[in-house]
Amino acid sequence: SQQGEEDPQALSIQEGENATMNCSYKTSINNLQWYRQNSGRGLVHLILIRSNEREKHSGRLRVTLDTSKKSSSLLITASRAADTASYFCATASYLVGTASKLTFGTGTRLQVTL
Amino acid sequence: DSGVTQTPKHLITATGQRVTLRCSPRSGDLSVYWYQQSLDQGLQFLIQYYNGEERAKGNILERFSAQQFPDLHSELNLSSLELGDSALYFCASSPRGRVGETQYFGPGTRLLVL
Repeated sequence: SQQGEEDPQALSIQEGENATMNCSYKTSINNLQWYRQNSGRGLVHLILIRSNEREKHSGRLRVTLDTSKKSSSLLITASRAADTASYFCATASYLVGTASKLTFGTGTRLQVTL
Repeated sequence: DSGVTQTPKHLITATGQRVTLRCSPRSGDLSVYWYQQSLDQGLQFLIQYYNGEERAKGNILERFSAQQFPDLHSELNLSSLELGDSALYFCASSPRGRVGETQYFGPGTRLLVL
């Protein structure tokens, strides 16, 4: 089952604008990760934020995490046509012992037009 | 290129049949994960192996099985296939299969059951 929901489901912006995607989850987590998927292809890891961190930056990406609200956001600044893809948040949580799993959200489909 | 390889890229088969999907992890990674991506269920974690042993199980059907071999490559076996098994199957790998690690995804195998 999906851990969380992503909002919006789809987002269309023009090149140069910022894109913000939100992710909500349900259970306690060790970390939250964001992935990008180009149409029908494999997922590419973008950024990981640990449960004790509130904000993290990587290039044009900014991720925030609010564990009290069980939510995260991904901001892509100065978007480019090449950013067109689906973006997924994934929460990492322990199973038994050191076993863990990633639970993916429903994804946001981002379209960046020229 | 994540360094994770999957074969075949595409697979078309009939209901009731059995197929085997193959995955080679990134060099040095000991843990392999399998995921299923379908339109109605999204991205679902199936199973994780670490150094040849099963470590965690997700939403894997009894008709499905997997194993990781001494050379660390992994196979996912799907039997008694149903129309609903049509999906993208991804393999991912990570160094030690710990909760804080990034998972690197392969390009996927697209399975179509007719």
